[in-house]
This record gives sequence, structure tokens and C-alpha cells, in this order.
Amino acid sequence: GENVEQHPSTLSVQEGDSAVIKCTYSDSASNYFPWYKQELGKGPQLIIDIRSNVGEKKDQRIAVTLNKTAKHFSLHITETQPEDSAVYFCAAGDSGSARQLTFGSGTQLTVLP
Amino acid sequence: NAGVTQTPKFRVLKTGQSMTLLCAQDMNHEYMYWYRQDPGMGLRLIHYSVGEGTTAKGEVPDGYNVSRLKKQNFLLGLESAAPSQTSVYFCASSPLAGGFNEQFFGPGTRLTVL
Repeated sequence: GENVEQHPSTLSVQEGDSAVIKCTYSDSASNYFPWYKQELGKGPQLIIDIRSNVGEKKDQRIAVTLNKTAKHFSLHITETQPEDSAVYFCAAGDSGSARQLTFGSGTQLTVLP
Repeated sequence: NAGVTQTPKFRVLKTGQSMTLLCAQDMNHEYMYWYRQDPGMGLRLIHYSVGEGTTAKGEVPDGYNVSRLKKQNFLLGLESAAPSQTSVYFCASSPLAGGFNEQFFGPGTRLTVL
């Protein structure tokens, strides 16, 4: 089955700096790569996703890049703000398996004021 | 729309007791999922359903059973709880149309088994 590794497990940045979280996956059949943000005491919420036919996608301060050859994808957050502090999860899935997602282990991002 | 709701929010069980966690969604989604979240391990899929009356095993199904008698509800059962089942349980749902879609998560149920 699919295996997703996520690094780092914790990340602290100063407000206004950029944050980068990286994930690798093992199954070349995976073609969908979402990123979820989980605030304390809440369920995860999708913040951005990318499909395998796209190399990069951007939404305001958030961007995701995908390298299918190397089987890795990354989340980039620019101009970080205290409200960006949360746990971030990457995931990978393929449309042929009931749309199951395999999640990474999560990154605790702390934005220091 | 309430989205995805989970009942109860917290529960403490003794080893060997049974319980059922209820997930309800009001978005008419076909797909529903049950995950468990443990520290440092992300979210792991327990069981899922691709429609009313259907269920299938995920990555970590042992010790759990599920039922989807109505499209809007997905129940997760623990027949004989064990301390290893102490975790936070999340339910999610996703629409059928358009290929891969966002999974919408509930607020979670924190279960402690003593």
C-alpha cells in the first residue's frame, strides 16, 4: 500500500517568515495530493490540493509543488501569521481505490510573534 | 448545514465494554470514512463506505465494525474495547461527483479505554 512520510514533525518560524513542509510518497499510482490544517480540538480542514497533471498550485499565501518523478510534494506558506499555527497533514490518494487517502504523520507549525 | 457531526464528543470506557460512535452528514455525500488519530501517526483509515449499505476495511480495521444503513449516517462500533483503542476518532465524508474531492471532517470523538 501507499506510504507517506512527512517532515519536519515540528517547525517554528518568526511571523512574516516562510514555512516549508515536505512529503514523499511511495505509490506511483497516487494522483491526488491534498493538504489539511488541523487547529486544536478540531477536525482537519482542506487548505489546498494538487493533482498529478499539475506541477504547482497557489492560493494567496499558500502554494503546493509536486514532483512526480521524485515522488515528493511540498507546502509553502509565505508571510506567516500567528493564525497559521496549527498541525498540517499531507496526504496521497488515487482515484481507483474508493478515493482512500493515506496521511503523513503531521507537522506542528508554530508562528512566533 | 451542520456538515459532519459526531456523537459523543468524549467517552471513557473500561476494558471489555462496548460502544457505538455515530457520524452524521447532511451534505448528501456518497463516501464516508472513519479514521483514528494517534500522536505522531497522523490519521489512519479504519473503515469506509462508498454508499448506503456498503462498507469496506481500511488500514486498521481490527477490533472495529461499521454499518451504513442510511446514507447520512455511518456508525463505528467497538464490541470489546481495549486500551490500544484509546484515540481520537474522526469521521469524514466526500461527494461522489467529479473524481477526487475534498473530505469533510467532523470535530472528533476522544475515547479513553481504561
